[in-house]
Amino acid sequence: KAGVTQTPRYLIKTRGQQVTLSCSPISGHRSVSWYQQTPGQGLQFLFEYFSETQRNKGNFPGRFSGRQFSNSRSEMNVSTLELGDSALYLCASSRDDSTNTGELFFGEGSRLTVL
Amino acid sequence: AQSVSQHNHHVILSEAASLELGCNYSYGGTVNLFWYVQYPGQHLQLLLKYFSGDPLVKGIKGFEAEFIKSKFSFNLRKPSVQWSDTAEYFCAVGGSYTGGFKTIFGAGTRLFVKA
Repeated sequence: KAGVTQTPRYLIKTRGQQVTLSCSPISGHRSVSWYQQTPGQGLQFLFEYFSETQRNKGNFPGRFSGRQFSNSRSEMNVSTLELGDSALYLCASSRDDSTNTGELFFGEGSRLTVL
Repeated sequence: AQSVSQHNHHVILSEAASLELGCNYSYGGTVNLFWYVQYPGQHLQLLLKYFSGDPLVKGIKGFEAEFIKSKFSFNLRKPSVQWSDTAEYFCAVGGSYTGGFKTIFGAGTRLFVKA
């Protein structure tokens, strides 16, 4: 059974640019959550999608957005990149339908560097 | 505010030493509790979880954790660590928060085990 797949694995952008990250969940998982991981901060919750609907959103500015497609694949977009957006962006899928508080299965992440 | 607090950011132990990593959370409702581990170069994976029942839960690789409801704590323990336990450990709490269900993570504890 394939795990959670994230692309691209590494990318470098400059301030002001935008970036789109992609996530393919485990087959059959309909919940996809996104987290930002930075040293010393742990994982900060960005948002969660289920059946193409955003069910929950963290405390990030509107520059951070996402969407989910009918096949449960998800994308997140960050516009007008800032130096502080440099981080590892993690996608996690869950088999829970009613909530997304069960076990999360993580991808390897997309490491974004903003110069 | 809803939060997960891990007591130590860095821990250094010698092989065969005992390990205890503290985790406290601020939340009054029903929660699911987790410890995740991130080995160097690998993705986050579940170490153990507590949903209900026996508050002492056992996970993979000899790890265990005890849920103490009155203290809002879920500490991770291992009687004898090995060099291969070198990793970053994250405590996580899943529940219904403002805006919906989500899983919140602590800042992580980096464990280094000396051979």
